[in-house]
Amino acid sequence: NAGVTQTPKFRILKIGQSMTLQCAQDMNHNYMYWYRQDPGMGLKLIYYSVGAGITDKGEVPNGYNVSRSTTEDFPLRLELAAPSQTSVYFCASGGSSQPQHFGDGTRLSIL
Amino acid sequence: AQKITQTQPGMFVQEKEAVTLDCTYDTSDQSYGLFWYKQPSSGEMIFLIYQGSYDEQNATEGRYSLNFQKARKSANLVISASQLGDSAMYFCAMRPMNRDDKIIFGKGTRLHILP
Repeated sequence: NAGVTQTPKFRILKIGQSMTLQCAQDMNHNYMYWYRQDPGMGLKLIYYSVGAGITDKGEVPNGYNVSRSTTEDFPLRLELAAPSQTSVYFCASGGSSQPQHFGDGTRLSIL
Repeated sequence: AQKITQTQPGMFVQEKEAVTLDCTYDTSDQSYGLFWYKQPSSGEMIFLIYQGSYDEQNATEGRYSLNFQKARKSANLVISASQLGDSAMYFCAMRPMNRDDKIIFGKGTRLHILP
């Protein structure tokens, strides 16, 4: 049972480049989330999804896009990378009354 | 609007002492769940304990217990007999149970256990 799998674990991007952070879960959870965590700070919710085909903005959605075509996958897209998007990105999934399971995170640097 | 408040940005505790990490919340929902997570310096998020709003007893998981006071809207985490490995960031979180909505996190408390 893999839980929540995030790829890649590390990435360096140039300003203006785009990329997709992948997130997959094998627990059949309806809820999935993307967070960013800046150094020494807490988690900020970027986007979340309550089921396939349904997504909604969180606290800091600007500069990001998501899609949820299947229950298992919830990719996060950065279209025009900016230095302010340098952060650690966490994907998480959960059931309605269950704790969230987190992936190991993606460390992203924009230079 | 829902809100989680953790008022202690940092705490220093002597090894083997008990420690209480504060968490207060604000919600208009009647049914909700409260969670605590630990984030060590290695960065992963570790689930510690869960309390449902209708649970009559406080949740316990090994050395972790949740001091749930519904009327005061507080859900403090108590760690008994602290260990050096408890040094980490701790996050309180909440999610409504009867409607589809997001889980929200507090800003966290950094706990330092001193030898």
